[in-house]
Amino acid sequence: TQLLEQSPQFLSIQEGENLTVYCNSSSVFSSLQWYRQEPGEGPVLLVTVVTGGEVKKLKRLTFQFGDARKDSSLHITAAQPGDTGLYLCAGAGETSGSRLTFGEGTQLTVNP
Amino acid sequence: NAGVTQTPKFQVLKTGQSMTLQCAQDMNHNSMYWYRQDPGMGLRLIYYSASEGTTDKGEVPNGYNVSRLNKREFSLRLESAAPSQTSVYFCASSEAWPFYNEQFFGPGTRLTVL
Repeated sequence: TQLLEQSPQFLSIQEGENLTVYCNSSSVFSSLQWYRQEPGEGPVLLVTVVTGGEVKKLKRLTFQFGDARKDSSLHITAAQPGDTGLYLCAGAGETSGSRLTFGEGTQLTVNP
Repeated sequence: NAGVTQTPKFQVLKTGQSMTLQCAQDMNHNSMYWYRQDPGMGLRLIYYSASEGTTDKGEVPNGYNVSRLNKREFSLRLESAAPSQTSVYFCASSEAWPFYNEQFFGPGTRLTVL
């Protein structure tokens, strides 16, 4: 069974601060995705990383896939209240077909 | 282009009652999924359908059944609801190639079993 551990589970910061969320596993993933979920809605895909060492930027968000494809991080620069939400990482195993393994999520609150 | 739609949005059942959650997607995706989301437990896969005509169990299939009615529709049935099935249920769809099974989620069904 593949597991993805996210940390921290909860994060409360002030507007303008930087933060990093981690997603770790002992398993290798062929690709890894990050989603954001707002209250009362379904998760929405932010990015997919597929190559070890890959870095992708989405405005103030920077996503990195570990060299060994076992871990990933999400860094937010100058967080804004609109960044508040539940951030989920999800990995596609090399033999898991169409299934994804989801982490438990990081609940981020950005206070004005 | 509605994406993934789910009905109903809210439902309250009594223990032992049955109901079917409906899901439809208009993106021509081959794969569809049912998840439940509980506080502190992330998204847990109940059942999935990798392609039309196939269904497979996920992590937590007990107490549920599914039907892949056609390529667009994937329903989840609770035959005899239990309080432990109180949760938020999400349907999702994806396409493997060249999209890495990036999943598109519906808005969810909030189910309470009394």
